[in-house]
Amino acid sequence: AQTVTQSQPEMSVQEAETVTLSCTYDTSESDYYLFWYKQPPSRQMILVIRQEAYKQQNATENRFSVNFQKAAKSFSLKISDSQLGDAAMYFCAYRDNSGYALNFGKGTSLLVTP
Amino acid sequence: KAGVTQTPRYLIKTRGQQVTLSCSPISGHRSVSWYQQTPGQGLQFLFEYFSETQRNKGNFPGRFSGRQFSNSRSEMNVSTLELGDSALYLCASSLQASGSGEQFFGPGTRLTVL
Repeated sequence: AQTVTQSQPEMSVQEAETVTLSCTYDTSESDYYLFWYKQPPSRQMILVIRQEAYKQQNATENRFSVNFQKAAKSFSLKISDSQLGDAAMYFCAYRDNSGYALNFGKGTSLLVTP
Repeated sequence: KAGVTQTPRYLIKTRGQQVTLSCSPISGHRSVSWYQQTPGQGLQFLFEYFSETQRNKGNFPGRFSGRQFSNSRSEMNVSTLELGDSALYLCASSLQASGSGEQFFGPGTRLTVL
């Protein structure tokens, strides 16, 4: 079974600064997908960014980018120019090409301070 | 386009009772997945339905069941409720059931078992 590990239960960042959330995963598959989801206090889970394992180029979505290291099985999320609205739980998730389920990490709670 | 809706939003039951939760996916989405979220176990996959067929099931006891209707709406049922079933139950729908397809989450149903 694939496992996803987020080693940082909590992180804090000041507004306008940059923060990086870590995620590692374990899999024997070569074709898979990785996601970062954001869950604000309202509880609605929102997709932040996704990465296909076959793509070498790191995904970017506005202020959000990832550092995907396939050999190291690492998938970190960088948030630039942090905003108060970025405060939320962030979940890293994995799904292999033939799978239906998302395997989630335990999450990282991000606090953004003024 | 309306998002994923879940009813009810909050539910209080007592041990031994059964409960049915409902999920209406985004129009046109035929895949519906269910997840259980608890502080201790995090987000865990329950099952996934596509065109009224359950295609994948997580590691949960048989007390947890579900179904999907021809209009893609889905229900999950938990029988003989236990205290440990208290959780946020999230439903997600997607166009593509696997791979890189984005899963759109509903707001969840908060179940409390007394």
